[in-house]
Amino acid sequence: GDSVTQMEGPVTLSEEAFLTINCTYTATGYPSLFWYVQYPGEGLQLLLKATKADDKGSNKGFEATYRKETTSFHLEKGSVQVSDSAVYFCALQANQAGTALIFGKGTTLSVSS
Amino acid sequence: GAGVSQSPSNKVTEKGKDVELRCDPISGHTALYWYRQSLGQGLEFLIYFQGNSAPDKSGLPSDRFSAERTGGSVSTLTIQRTQQEDSAVYLCASSLGPGGTDTQYFGPGTRLTVL
Repeated sequence: GDSVTQMEGPVTLSEEAFLTINCTYTATGYPSLFWYVQYPGEGLQLLLKATKADDKGSNKGFEATYRKETTSFHLEKGSVQVSDSAVYFCALQANQAGTALIFGKGTTLSVSS
Repeated sequence: GAGVSQSPSNKVTEKGKDVELRCDPISGHTALYWYRQSLGQGLEFLIYFQGNSAPDKSGLPSDRFSAERTGGSVSTLTIQRTQQEDSAVYLCASSLGPGGTDTQYFGPGTRLTVL
C-alpha cells in the first residue's frame, strides 16, 4: 500500500541555519503531497502542498518540490528561526475521492538562538 | 472564519468506560475525517464521512469504535469499553469536498487518557 518515509529526528539547528527534512513516498498513481506542521501545544496546520509532478509548494520561507522521478518531497528552508521549532509531517493523499491522508512519522525540529 | 473545533480538549477516563468525542467541521465542508495520533503508531486514519454517503470505516481498529455524523455536519466518535491502548490524541479534519486535491483542515484534537 501507499506509504511515506521521512527522516528520523530530532533535528537540532542554530538560528539562520539551512534546513532539509527528507521525505520519500510509495504510491500508485499520482498522489498529492503535503507538509503539515504541529507547533508545541497546537493542532496540525497545513504548511504547503503540491498536487502534481514538478510543482513547488511554498509558504513562510519553506519550499518543497514534487519529484516524481525520485518519489520525493523534501522540505527546505534557507534560514530557520527559533519560531520554526515544531514537528513536521510529510503526507500523501491519493488523487481519488475520499481518500485519507497517509502520514510519515514526523520529524521534530529544534532551533536554538 | 471559524476552523474545525473539537471537544473536549482533554478527557481522562477509567478503563472500561465509554467516551464520546465531538467534532464541528468548517461550515460548508462536506468531507470529514477522524485520525488518531499516538506515540507508537503516529497518525492513523480512522473513519471518513462524505455528505450523506455511507462512511468509510476501514481505519477503525476494533468494533468498540464507532462514529456518526448528524445532518452532514457535527460528528461524534464513540469509544466503548475503553482500554489503555486507546490513549491518544484524536484529531478531526474537514475538507471542502472529497477530491484528492481538497486540503484537509485539522482541529486542535482531543487528548484521551485511559487510566
